[in-house]
Amino acid sequence: DAKTTQPPSMDCAEGRAANLPCNHSTISGNEYVYWYRQIHSQGPQYIIHGLKNNETNEMASLIITEDRKSSTLILPHATLRDTAVYYCIVRVGSNYGQNFVFGPGTRLSVLP
Amino acid sequence: KAGVTQTPRYLIKTRGQQVTLSCSPISGHRSVSWYQQTPGQGLQFLFEYFSETQRNKGNFPGRFSGRQFSNSRSEMNVSTLELGDSALYLCASSLAFRLAGAYNEQFFGPGTRLTVL
Repeated sequence: DAKTTQPPSMDCAEGRAANLPCNHSTISGNEYVYWYRQIHSQGPQYIIHGLKNNETNEMASLIITEDRKSSTLILPHATLRDTAVYYCIVRVGSNYGQNFVFGPGTRLSVLP
Repeated sequence: KAGVTQTPRYLIKTRGQQVTLSCSPISGHRSVSWYQQTPGQGLQFLFEYFSETQRNKGNFPGRFSGRQFSNSRSEMNVSTLELGDSALYLCASSLAFRLAGAYNEQFFGPGTRLTVL
């Protein structure tokens, strides 16, 4: 079972910021939060990850709440090419082996 | 640096046949994971290999198997194909085997789209 919950879909106007929320209330203290996106039928693409602090890279920013139970991915200036399914992921498993569990994600539609 | 490559990209098989899919990880990556993606079930973890050993396995029947070679390349095999095995099969590589608390980004290949008729 996915350990994260995300809204199934969101719309965003081109050029505006897209804010994608994710709840991960059962995250443990040493688990990272990862964000990936998948553009139609391609392999998922890594966007960003974080542990406790807010993170920023050339693609996006990640805001993690102080209690680490939720996070928000921010695409500062969304373009039509950002239309994709966005997955918020935490790993599951024991120290022996961990794997990503993908939920249904958020389908972001960037509108002209 | 070349990305993860998967071959073939498209495959059509009939029920009862078997199929082998191949994945070449990014150079230097030693861990390979396989996922199945279907419209109904989404992305589901199949198994992970590291140092030629299966380290982790998802909830799939024994018809799904895999292996990893000494050069980290991996293959997965599905025997006695069923219509429900039609899916996009994704391979992802990472530097090392993931341990709790460790950051270890996965890089995904383009996938192999398998159609079972």
